[in-house]
Amino acid sequence: EDQVTQSPEALRLQEGESSSLNCSYTVSGLRGLFWYRQDPGKGPEFLFTLYSAGEEKEKERLKATLTKKESFLHITAPKPEDSATYLCAVQFSGGYNKLIFGAGTRLAVHP
Amino acid sequence: DAGVIQSPRHEVTEMGQEVTLRCKPISGHDYLFWYRQTMMRGLELLIYFNNNVPIDDSGMPEDRFSAKMPNASFSTLKIQPSEPRDSAVYFCASSLPRTGAAGDTQYFGPGTRLTVL
Repeated sequence: EDQVTQSPEALRLQEGESSSLNCSYTVSGLRGLFWYRQDPGKGPEFLFTLYSAGEEKEKERLKATLTKKESFLHITAPKPEDSATYLCAVQFSGGYNKLIFGAGTRLAVHP
Repeated sequence: DAGVIQSPRHEVTEMGQEVTLRCKPISGHDYLFWYRQTMMRGLELLIYFNNNVPIDDSGMPEDRFSAKMPNASFSTLKIQPSEPRDSAVYFCASSLPRTGAAGDTQYFGPGTRLTVL
């Protein structure tokens, strides 16, 4: 069964304390892996798309990487404004344009 | 650039009433998606359209739910009759497909928070 699992469920960091969020997937024929950020009361905001193993994307303090079985979202020297829920989703062959979402990681960065 | 627009932002209704949620996708996007988000089940795809035609409605929970897309710039999700377990945040998203096999990015609206009493 096609599945996306994110870990940890919740993460508390001190400002400046770097860490990584994990997204593991079991789908056949990955077409794309997507990272979104969601703030309370808002819709998911697109961050990155990764298409093939070995690919990396960066934006400010965030860096996303992809292997054949998982993706990591690395957060370097986080600030309180990075606090949000980070969602991972995959699109796969045979799923056409459907996205399967993980449950998300709730990140809290404290000053 | 206007993003995906949804209305209303909040809806409170009583059990048994009809509820209609509305969505305007990003101009030029060929795909439109309806999702539901709850604490228990996370983000679930309900239905999606391509060029105004429903492609996959396997996520629609039951016959009480229906969705239409009469033109490229408007879609509705209707629940009739509504039940308390339908309380959730409903999101609309749209995308413009990439050529080839690579996946395309979906852009989400702000959501409609539905409360059924």
